[in-house]
Amino acid sequence: NAGVTQTPKFRVLKTGQSMTLLCAQDMNHEYMYWYRQDPGMGLRLIHYSVGEGTTAKGEVPDGYNVSRLKKQNFLLGLESAAPSQTSVYFCASTYPADTQYFGPGTRLTVL
Amino acid sequence: GQNIDQPTEMTATEGAIVQINCTYQTSGFNGLFWYQQHAGEAPTFLSYNVLDGLEEKGRFSSFLSRSKGYSYLLLKELQMKDSASYLCAVGEAYSGAGSYQLTFGKGTKLSVIP
Repeated sequence: NAGVTQTPKFRVLKTGQSMTLLCAQDMNHEYMYWYRQDPGMGLRLIHYSVGEGTTAKGEVPDGYNVSRLKKQNFLLGLESAAPSQTSVYFCASTYPADTQYFGPGTRLTVL
Repeated sequence: GQNIDQPTEMTATEGAIVQINCTYQTSGFNGLFWYQQHAGEAPTFLSYNVLDGLEEKGRFSSFLSRSKGYSYLLLKELQMKDSASYLCAVGEAYSGAGSYQLTFGKGTKLSVIP
């Protein structure tokens, strides 16, 4: 099992560009999450999904959109990137109320 | 909502014991997690407490007091590879929305010195 994988691992964008981050899990988990991690701020929840076809907002959702068309995939989109979105993005998955397993992260820089 | 506090940094000597504290205030509680995160890597699960008391797992132990909103992670026989950030996270379940979320503290950066 690959566990949780994220694509890409690194990306540099210019302000205003768009991109999609892909998270995939092969553990048949129902719940999936997107976090961002910034120095001194800890992990903050952006959006999450409790099942295929459902999504919900977390603590810091502005500027991001998500989709969960297939149970194993959770996509995070940035429609118009801003320098404030420079961060490390982590995806995680779990059965409900259980340990969250994290992907390796995507390091995004917006110039 | 959640408010989670843990020390920003700690330093300890190889072979020693270190205790990392975490206090939390929450409107709903459904478990407390500890994760380890090495620099440049993803968080990895260490321990989970849902009932009061001590959970031991090798060199690592975690304690929970729900009435005090308090947990600690105890690391024994410290090794250089234990240098990492340790994240305290509180779980909260929303039955109406059918969801479960973790709220993370900002993490404690532990440096183990020879």
